[in-house]
Amino acid sequence: KQEVTQIPAALSVPEGENLVLNCSFTDSAIYNLQWFRQDPGKGLTSLLLIQSSQREQTSGRLNASLDKSSGRSTLYIAASQPGDSATYLCAVRRASGGSYIPTFGRGTSLIVHP
Amino acid sequence: ETGVTQTPRHLVMGMTNKKSLKCEQHLGHNAMYWYKQSAKKPLELMFVYSLEERVENNSVPSRFSPECPNSSHLFLHLHTLQPEDSALYLCASSQEEVNNEQFFGPGTRLTVL
Repeated sequence: KQEVTQIPAALSVPEGENLVLNCSFTDSAIYNLQWFRQDPGKGLTSLLLIQSSQREQTSGRLNASLDKSSGRSTLYIAASQPGDSATYLCAVRRASGGSYIPTFGRGTSLIVHP
Repeated sequence: ETGVTQTPRHLVMGMTNKKSLKCEQHLGHNAMYWYKQSAKKPLELMFVYSLEERVENNSVPSRFSPECPNSSHLFLHLHTLQPEDSALYLCASSQEEVNNEQFFGPGTRLTVL
């Protein structure tokens, strides 16, 4: 059974810092990995999607890397801003009978204070 | 409307009520999902529909009954729920056999009294 762990569970930093959020998974036979952000009481917003054959993806100040063999992904946030405050979730997907089943971590709760 | 929409956004129901949650996606996707998000627990996958067929039922109690009449609409029918079923219910969609990137709706906050 796939298990996804996110470290740290919570993080509070001053504005401007560069951040690294970690995601690890137990079964390396994944199809892809996706990072999301979730604001309180809201749905999830997709940030980056990395296919199993890729090593990293970048979008603006965000960079996500994937090391499938070691079961790890990191989300790097450059020059953090108060608007980055949210919970960050990673999800890995496995193939199952023609569909792709996701497993989520518990998330990292990030607060960026001015 | 664009993206994934869910109605109602908030729902309060008694344990003997019957209600339904609705999800609609305007992205042309062919797979839809129901998730449950409880406090301090990981997001739990409940059901997956691909091409309007249920391909995954993640050991969900029968008091939750999904329905997918077409690739754009997904329902979750609720009956005789328990207070511990109170949670945020999220719907998502993706295009299978492409990159499978999931897009989520805003969720329905359900409270069972």
